[in-house]
Amino acid sequence: QKEVEQNSGPLSVPEGAIASLNCTYSDRVSQSFFWYRQYSGKSPELIMSIYSNGDKEDGRFTAQLNKASQYVSLLIRDSQPSDSATYLCAVYDRGSTLGRLYFGRGTQLTVWP
Amino acid sequence: EPEVTQTPSHQVTQMGQEVILRCVPISNHLYFYWYRQILGQKVEFLVSFYNNEISEKSEIFDDQFSVERPDGSNFTLKIRSTKLEDSAMYFCASRRQGGNTGELFFGEGSRLTVL
Repeated sequence: QKEVEQNSGPLSVPEGAIASLNCTYSDRVSQSFFWYRQYSGKSPELIMSIYSNGDKEDGRFTAQLNKASQYVSLLIRDSQPSDSATYLCAVYDRGSTLGRLYFGRGTQLTVWP
Repeated sequence: EPEVTQTPSHQVTQMGQEVILRCVPISNHLYFYWYRQILGQKVEFLVSFYNNEISEKSEIFDDQFSVERPDGSNFTLKIRSTKLEDSAMYFCASRRQGGNTGELFFGEGSRLTVL
C-alpha cells in the first residue's frame, strides 16, 4: 500500500500571504506527483503536476519536489479568498496500467480577507 | 468547456438494494475511472477501464461492484447489494489518450447514502 501523507491543517492565512502545503509519500520509486484542489462539496480539480526535482511555477502556484526526501510541496503566493479549499496531494502508481492515483487526506486552506 | 457529467447527484437507498451510478465522460477521452470518497476520508481508487474492459481494480472493488460502458458514451458503476459502508461520494473521471497520466477530469460526483 502506498501512503501519501499531508499536514491536515486546517491552515489559515491572511489574504496576500504565502500558503505552504506539504506532502510526503512512501513509495521511493514514485515519479509523478500532482496537486488537486477540491472546493467543499465539489470534485477534485488538477492544478499542478511535477515530475522532476526542483521547483515548477505556474502563476501564483509553485510545486516543489525532493525525491530524496520523498517530499512534495505546494506554495500559493498572494493567497486569495477564492483559494480557500482542500488541497489534495496525489502520487501516480508507477506499476499501474492506466494511472492509478494515491491521494492524501488533504489540507484544508482558509484565506481570510 | 467539455466536462464529465454524473447522475444522480444524490441517491438514498436501503441496505441490500442495487444501485447504478452513471457517468458520461468527455467525448474524446479513452480512459475511465471510478474513485470514491467517504466523508472526511481520502479519495480512493476503485477501478480503471479502457477499451471496454477493466484495466485495474482496487481491493475495494469486490464482487459487489461492476462497471460497464453499455452504449459507447455512458460509463456505469453498479453496486449489487449495498452495505452501510458503501455510503460515500463516487467520482467518475476520464483522461484523454496521450494525456498526462495524472491529469484526470472528475465529474461532480454522485453521493450515495445507504440506510
